[in-house]
Amino acid sequence: GAGVSQSPSNKVTEKGKDVELRCDPISGHTALYWYRQSLGQGLEFLIYFQGNSAPDKSGLPSDRFSAERTGGSVSTLTIQRTQQEDSAVYLCASSPDSRGHNEQFFGPGTRLTVL
Amino acid sequence: AQSVTQLGSHVSVSEGALVLLRCNYSSSVPPYLFWYVQYPNQGLQLLLKYTSAATLVKGINGFEAEFKKSETSFHLTKPSAHMSDAAEYFCAVSEGDNQGGKLIFGQGTELSVKP
Repeated sequence: GAGVSQSPSNKVTEKGKDVELRCDPISGHTALYWYRQSLGQGLEFLIYFQGNSAPDKSGLPSDRFSAERTGGSVSTLTIQRTQQEDSAVYLCASSPDSRGHNEQFFGPGTRLTVL
Repeated sequence: AQSVTQLGSHVSVSEGALVLLRCNYSSSVPPYLFWYVQYPNQGLQLLLKYTSAATLVKGINGFEAEFKKSETSFHLTKPSAHMSDAAEYFCAVSEGDNQGGKLIFGQGTELSVKP
């Protein structure tokens, strides 16, 4: 079956512009996670959704970052007024539910470059 | 607070040699522990996980890991390295089933396999 998909695969933007990153989870998975992978910081948790609710947004680095999920499916991560330090690979993962023992299935990521 | 430490950012072994990648964790509650592998330009793939059943866990591609509570360790091993094992490996922890399942990752270990 289809895995987690993310779009775009690559995004180059200018400093100060807004960007939207999309994640399509595995069908039926109620939990969805966003992580960021960068050279300096490794893999960092950003936010997770259970259904359409986001119980934990503690990893979002600033108020320029926001995310939403609609219909318990697709999620969008939005970064406003991008900065060069936002350059990273943004990974999305989904899981059958948000219990800790579950495997998370990762998408291929979106590589964001801010010039 | 949870944390994960992977000793050695780079490990190099010869083909056919033992692979040992080290992971130590810190958790205030009995943890769930995971090893993920990332091949170049791909997302993360689960190798194996510990969820409080058997302490010796077998995963895909001949890898296994042993949970040692007294040492707070979850080292990854493979008896005989193959060229195709060259990748980056991440150890991760999540706490319980009521904390949302977010993963806290170690910094990663890049494994090189020499012919």
